[in-house]
Amino acid sequence: QVQLVQSGAEVKKPGASVKISCKASGYTFTSYAMNWVRQAPGQRLEWMGWINTDNGNTKYSQKFQGRVTLTRDTSASTAYMELSSLRSEDTAVYYCARDRFSSSWPYYFDSWGQGTLVTVSS
Amino acid sequence: EIVLTQSPGTLSLSPGERATLSCRASQIVTSDYLAWYQQIPGQAPGLLIYGASSRATGIPDRFSGSGSGTDFTLTISRLEPEDFAVYYCQQYGSSPLTFGGGTKVEIK
Repeated sequence: QVQLVQSGAEVKKPGASVKISCKASGYTFTSYAMNWVRQAPGQRLEWMGWINTDNGNTKYSQKFQGRVTLTRDTSASTAYMELSSLRSEDTAVYYCARDRFSSSWPYYFDSWGQGTLVTVSS
Repeated sequence: EIVLTQSPGTLSLSPGERATLSCRASQIVTSDYLAWYQQIPGQAPGLLIYGASSRATGIPDRFSGSGSGTDFTLTISRLEPEDFAVYYCQQYGSSPLTFGGGTKVEIK
């Protein structure tokens, strides 16, 4: 069955960077794109960006443009999300979410990782 | 960006009752590219509906989606104990993809 297993919780200081991994199993990694979504305490879900795991093309929400980098390692069936210049408002649970398709546009998400809590605090 | 407004914020119902959840978009959602997710506290969201009205694999037929343009509805025909959760709508017709603020369905 499809599984997305994320790396563990992180505590970071303001100004630092965090890199979260999402290891996929149970399907052909490059046949589906991957999205990253975050959920801050008491806030709605927020889409951060999308990566075509086959060709590496990316799309980012303008809100995070310049601070977020999505990459993938096809040999390891793993997607990565790096967020830089962290501030307290970035404290949230970060999810990887498999896109229903592998194309040129993000769609909807049919499988999700378990979430990674990132706490930004001095 | 398209803002999705969900109502009500909280729905208090009993098992067996019908739940009707609304999601209104600030602009027309291209091609009715709207999905619904269920989130149980402490868990990741799970896909229920895509394309406004298509049920995802394995989703029971008591869940149904309807609507088009800017107004969408998720209906749960008869609430089961496992349906008490938070529900989010999401549009994927325009970038950035956006989510609604959620509707909590709680036991009355």
